[in-house]
Amino acid sequence: AQSVTQPDIHITVSEGASLELRCNYSYGATPYLFWYVQSPGQGLQLLLKYFSGDTLVQGIKGFEAEFKRSQSSFNLRKPSVHWSDAAEYFCAVGLYNNNDMRFGAGTRLTVKP
Amino acid sequence: DAGITQSPRHKVTETGTPVTLRCHQTENHRYMYWYRQDPGHGLRLIHYSYGVKDTDKGEVSDGYSVSRSKTEDFLLTLESATSSQTSVYFCAISEPPLMTGGSETQYFGPGTRLLVL
Repeated sequence: AQSVTQPDIHITVSEGASLELRCNYSYGATPYLFWYVQSPGQGLQLLLKYFSGDTLVQGIKGFEAEFKRSQSSFNLRKPSVHWSDAAEYFCAVGLYNNNDMRFGAGTRLTVKP
Repeated sequence: DAGITQSPRHKVTETGTPVTLRCHQTENHRYMYWYRQDPGHGLRLIHYSYGVKDTDKGEVSDGYSVSRSKTEDFLLTLESATSSQTSVYFCAISEPPLMTGGSETQYFGPGTRLLVL
């Protein structure tokens, strides 16, 4: 069955430090991959997506993600975290014909001053 | 932000009562979705619609029904609310995939927080 795993429930980083959030997926066909961010009490905002082509994708707010087919991973990175990046981050796999989208359980990011 | 509104934003109800949540979009997107968000589960799809009067079940559809009589509105109904349906409900919209087997970005509304006592 299709699934998305975010191994880290909660990550704490210092402001200015680099960040990597992990995402692994299990899906037989070519995946359509997304990262969303959710601030407290808000809906989900798209950070970036991978459909095909260059495996390193750039998103908003200085985020990037790299698709690695051999590792079934789509990890999210940011070179220098800002306090405003504190939020919950969700990785998702878009399934065939958009009939379903599977989300990971989320990773909550805390940023220390 | 995509033009998606959800109403009500907050609701408290009692077990056994019917509840209807509304999602309204101004983007004219053909596909609409209802998700629930619970700690440790991320978002799970309840129902989706791929056009007016065309709906189908998602991963966690038991206890829910939907209706879509207009492109812009997608209603989620809990026929008889239970405590297990206490959750945050999100509506999303998207365009159809550009190619068979593809996927398109979903845009999310602000959510409805539902408490069933």
